[in-house]
Amino acid sequence: AQKVTQAQTEISVVEKEDVTLDCVYETRDTTYYLFWYKQPPSGELVFLIRRNSFDEQNEISGRYSWNFQKSTSSFNFTITASQVVDSAVYFCALSESEDSSYKLIFGSGTRLLVRP
Amino acid sequence: EPEVTQTPSHQVTQMGQEVILRCVPISNHLYFYWYRQILGQKVEFLVSFYNNEISEKSEIFDDQFSVERPDGSNFTLKIRSTKLEDSAMYFCASNQILRDTQYFGPGTRLTVL
Repeated sequence: AQKVTQAQTEISVVEKEDVTLDCVYETRDTTYYLFWYKQPPSGELVFLIRRNSFDEQNEISGRYSWNFQKSTSSFNFTITASQVVDSAVYFCALSESEDSSYKLIFGSGTRLLVRP
Repeated sequence: EPEVTQTPSHQVTQMGQEVILRCVPISNHLYFYWYRQILGQKVEFLVSFYNNEISEKSEIFDDQFSVERPDGSNFTLKIRSTKLEDSAMYFCASNQILRDTQYFGPGTRLTVL
């Protein structure tokens, strides 16, 4: 069965530190999609990135970068030079092509606290 | 930029009452979803909807739940007889193509007393 594990429940860093949020997934499907969403204290879910299983290139967007490694079934998220505004809960999610609805399976989330 | 909207932002109800949560998906999207997040927990899939019918539902989505697209813009989630354990944040999401990114609304916080 598909599963997403975010082993880090909570991380606390001081502003300007780099921080990596881990995500490990399980799937039997060969075609699947991985996502990261941010949930700030206001509660909404903000889309950050989508990656398909055939694209293992790492991606950088400003201070954000993502490392996708199929060999270890991981899709980790790094924030460089963290800022207080990065404080939020971050969710990793998986959807599979064999799933008729492509529903999102979420991990339990990592709460990131960036202290000034 | 188009976005998914949800109303109300917060709904308080008594146990046993019916509630209807409303969502307006992005206008050219065809696939619609409801998810639930109990406070402090992960986001869980409830139901997906396409072409005016449910395409998949989870074990959570029992006979007390129903969804409807009453017109060309709204997508609703009804809970017939609310229970205390239905207290949660309910998110609506939509996408244009099935495997595309799902965009979420801001959520409705449901509190059942």
